[in-house]
Amino acid sequence: GNSVTQMEGPVTLSEEAFLTINCTYTATGYPSLFWYVQYPGEGLQLLLKATKADDKGSNKGFEATYRKETTSFHLEKGSVQVSDSAVYFCALNKPPNYGGSQGNLIFGKGTKLSVKP
Amino acid sequence: GAGVSQSPSNKVTEKGKDVELRCDPISGHTALYWYRQRLGQGLEFLIYFQGNSAPDKSGLPSDRFSAERTGESVSTLTIQRTQQEDSAVYLCASRRQGAYNSPLHFGNGTRLTVT
Repeated sequence: GNSVTQMEGPVTLSEEAFLTINCTYTATGYPSLFWYVQYPGEGLQLLLKATKADDKGSNKGFEATYRKETTSFHLEKGSVQVSDSAVYFCALNKPPNYGGSQGNLIFGKGTKLSVKP
Repeated sequence: GAGVSQSPSNKVTEKGKDVELRCDPISGHTALYWYRQRLGQGLEFLIYFQGNSAPDKSGLPSDRFSAERTGESVSTLTIQRTQQEDSAVYLCASRRQGAYNSPLHFGNGTRLTVT
């Protein structure tokens, strides 16, 4: 079936450090891949997405590349800030015609990131 | 405009009681989803409404769980005879009709604690 596995946290970094949060997936067909972020006290919001192999999603200095050969969508940022402290969720969207709800996102367990000044 | 609104934000109930959780989606969003997030776990899909189509209830964990939505407006998730394992954050999300990979817009959730 379809699933998402992301690295367990918590991850604690110093400001300006390089960030990688690993995410791998299992899916039938060709899913779209997403990173959602949940800042303290707020709801989940879309950070970036990629809809086909080799696409790179980017936003707010974060990047992730859809790697079909390794079934991965790792999140990276070159220099984190304290304001990046949040929980990050990797997710995939089951493609249509493969059963289940269209647009139904399957989420990883989330990785909590804490950035210290 | 306003985002997805959920109420209450927190709910503490005794085991065996019924609870009702409410979600107001973004106006014009035809698709509405309920997810559950247990402590330390990912988001677990519960149910999905899309316009006037029959809802996808495949994620509901037991017949104690039910949800309703009238048209493209408010949805309520009802849990009957609550159990301690129902304790979780219940998240609602909505999405405009269109490409299946358009983003979901989430509410802040309802934290349910069953004592």
